Amino acid sequence: AQSVAQPEDQVNVAEGNPLTVKCTYSVSGNPYLFWYVQYPNRGLQFLLKYITGDNLVKGSYGFEAEFNKSQTSFHLKKPSALVSDSALYFCAVRDLYSGAGSYQLTFGKGTKLSVIP
Amino acid sequence: KAGVTQTPRYLIKTRGQQVTLSCSPISGHRSVSWYQQTPGQGLQFLFEYFSETQRNKGNFPGRFSGRQFSNSRSEMNVSTLELGDSALYLCASSLVAAGGPVYEQYFGPGTRLTVT
Repeated sequence: AQSVAQPEDQVNVAEGNPLTVKCTYSVSGNPYLFWYVQYPNRGLQFLLKYITGDNLVKGSYGFEAEFNKSQTSFHLKKPSALVSDSALYFCAVRDLYSGAGSYQLTFGKGTKLSVIP
Repeated sequence: KAGVTQTPRYLIKTRGQQVTLSCSPISGHRSVSWYQQTPGQGLQFLFEYFSETQRNKGNFPGRFSGRQFSNSRSEMNVSTLELGDSALYLCASSLVAAGGPVYEQYFGPGTRLTVT
């Protein structure tokens, strides 16, 4: 069975500093990886995905993620954090084997990011 | 293009009752998935529909059911509500391309269900 781990429940970073939110995964076969962000009382917003190709993926709002196959990691990064980046971040992996072509995401527990002014 | 919409946004029900939640996907999206989000269990997959067929189901009791209509709109139903069913229920839609690109899911704002 596939799984995703986000080892940090909370990450605090000063505004203007670089941020990293960590994610590791376990899958059979090629991983299809995603990052989503959730603001209070809102649904999830898609940030970026890794399917294949370059290990550095660029996404929305200045976020990027680095795929590392040997370390089975997909860490989310941003060069300069904004207070408005404060939210809950979820890493997810898509399960391609649970049913014929079916679409199921397995999520990590989430990491709360707080950007301090 | 309009996003995924879910109705109602908030719902309060009593234990033992049943509830129906509705989801309208992004135009052109034929895959609709449902997830339950709770503080304790996080985000858990309920089921996925494509072309009015349930393709996959998560590890939830039979009290949880769903369906999809020909216009791709979807509903989920929970019968005999329990206190533990209190959660944010999220609907997500996606394009589908057999053997083609892997598309992301887009989520609606969710329905907050409170069971008392």
